Formats: sequence, structure tokens, C-alpha cells
Amino acid sequence: DAGVIQSPRHEVTEMGQEVTLRCKPISGHNSLFWYRQTMMRGLELLIYFNNNVPIDDSGMPEDRFSAKMPNASFSTLKIQPSEPRDSAVYFCASRPEDYGYTFGSGTRLTVV
Amino acid sequence: AQSVTQLGSHVSVSEGALVLLRCNYSSSVPPYLFWYVQYPNQGLQLLLKYTTGATLVKGINGFEAEFKKSETSFHLTKPSAHMSDAAEYFCAVSGKAGTALIFGKGTTLSVSS
Repeated sequence: DAGVIQSPRHEVTEMGQEVTLRCKPISGHNSLFWYRQTMMRGLELLIYFNNNVPIDDSGMPEDRFSAKMPNASFSTLKIQPSEPRDSAVYFCASRPEDYGYTFGSGTRLTVV
Repeated sequence: AQSVTQLGSHVSVSEGALVLLRCNYSSSVPPYLFWYVQYPNQGLQLLLKYTTGATLVKGINGFEAEFKKSETSFHLTKPSAHMSDAAEYFCAVSGKAGTALIFGKGTTLSVSS
């Protein structure tokens, strides 16, 4: 089992550019979560999906953020346009029917 | 709604000493409670979880936690700290099945020799 795979591991981009973060959940896990981690705010839930359907996106900070899960094996988190305050580590996690998440290694985003 | 408070953003212990990381929760429904560990530049790894049943839960690496409903607490303990335990620890809560985890701010554990 390769675990939850996130790409890229690091992303440096200029303010105003579009950024796309990618996540491949563990096969058979029916829930997928996107979190953002910063020193100031800790781990914040952005959005989560059950069976590819968005359930709660109340944590998405602004309309600049969007997430999709076109199928059970792939999800994207897009920021357009990006701003320096979006700099953070973005984690994807997936979960089977029980309650334990498996986290990916994260994408460290720096917007300059 | 659920929330988690971790008391102490930083805990320091000596190698071999007791580790105690505190977590209090708030939940409008019977909670499911979790502890995760995060090593530098890595994702979070599940240490242990409480869903139902026995209130004393044993996890990996010698850690355990006890669910105390009357105190709304789920403190994490380990009898003897190792240098390799130095990391950041997160307590998390969720409500009914299918909902997302809400994390505390985290506690950084330092272990000195």
C-alpha cells in the first residue's frame, strides 16, 4: 500500500499565479479530506468528500479556493489567484469506513 | 459542534520520565477521540483512537490515553519517554460517523537526555 500520495511536495509560486495541489487517496477509502497547517492557525479543515461528493466546504477560506474529486482515486485543490497569505502546508487525508485517517506527506506551498 | 483544547503548547521531559499531554474536548454528541503524532516535515500518524467500549486505549510506541467523560478529557500518557518521542502531538475529535476530525493546536514534546 503506497499510502496517500500528494504532489508536488514543494511548490513555490508568484503571487497571482494559479496553484493546483493533487492527492491520490488509498484505494477503497471512501472519504477524503483537505487540511491546511500554519503556525498561527494550526490544522484547519478546508473541505471533505464522501464517495466523491463534497460534504462540507465551510472551511474553504475564499472563492479563490476550489476542490474537486472527479473519481475515487484523485482529488485536486486549486488556488486562483494565489496570495502570500496562502503559504502553508496542505495535507490530504483519506479514510475507510472506520474513523482513522491516513495522511499524506503534505505539500509545502510558498507564495512570493 | 466539536472543539479540542490542548493544554500546553510545549512540554519538556527528561528521557525515562513520564509523558503527560493534556487534551480536553467539547462535543454535543458522544465523541470519537484521537491522538496523532507529527514528525518534522511529515504527515500526521495515528497513535490511538477511542470510539466506544473500553475507556483506556492503548496505541503504538507505548502510548495510551484514557477517556474520562465526566472530565471531558482524553489525556495521552507514556510511562517512560524516549528521545525518539520528540515530535508534535495532536488531539482530535469527531462527532457522528462520517464527519471530519477537528484538531487541537498541538503540543510539541521535547525530550532531553
